[in-house]
Amino acid sequence: RKEVEQDPGPFNVPEGATVAFNCTYSNSASQSFFWYRQDCRKEPKLLMSVYSSGNEDGRFTAQLNRASQYISLLIRDSKLSDSATYLCAVNGHNQGGKLIFGQGTELSVKP
Amino acid sequence: GAGVSQSPRYKVAKRGQDVALRCDPISGHVSLFWYQQALGQGPEFLTYFQNEAQLDKSGLPSDRFFAERPEGSVSTLKIQRTQQEDSAVYLCASRGGTLTEAFFGQGTRLTVV
Repeated sequence: RKEVEQDPGPFNVPEGATVAFNCTYSNSASQSFFWYRQDCRKEPKLLMSVYSSGNEDGRFTAQLNRASQYISLLIRDSKLSDSATYLCAVNGHNQGGKLIFGQGTELSVKP
Repeated sequence: GAGVSQSPRYKVAKRGQDVALRCDPISGHVSLFWYQQALGQGPEFLTYFQNEAQLDKSGLPSDRFFAERPEGSVSTLKIQRTQQEDSAVYLCASRGGTLTEAFFGQGTRLTVV
């Protein structure tokens, strides 16, 4: 079983839809959590960090559930430009910033 | 430039050939990471440097893989006797401090034929 797991998708949604991704992690010592966005043939870029209390950045909301060991990303009013692969990543205590990534979830927003 | 720079962007190697991949981190960034990303997968951790010290190499898949950062800035990932399963994108990331964001380079796409 992989340490961080995501549904690879693809998620095909119409413009304006709300879409949610989940990511589960197996290491209960994980301390930091992130969502990255990766466009085709490009490098991953940080979308947002995920805080225990949940956090929002415009149309994007991230949540952390430590008890069930999952993080989520909600995208509201999706745009064509949101089409990309969304990677969740976790970092454990005393791991020096090493990130463990999930497989990524592919999102395709259609007109 | 202001970002993480990797070279070459593309590399085709014959099976059995040695390759060297270069990473120029953001100036002043202490931490440097190497990841391997296979098609359709997320990045997999290979190794981590803090300045010139290699603190974690637990992700290197075999002793054919070797990384160095002798002066604490530029890093080189070397793969000896390349195999077809080494074909992947090799990503480098750097970070300035413990709680700061890691920035990725555009990667080197290695194809072993």
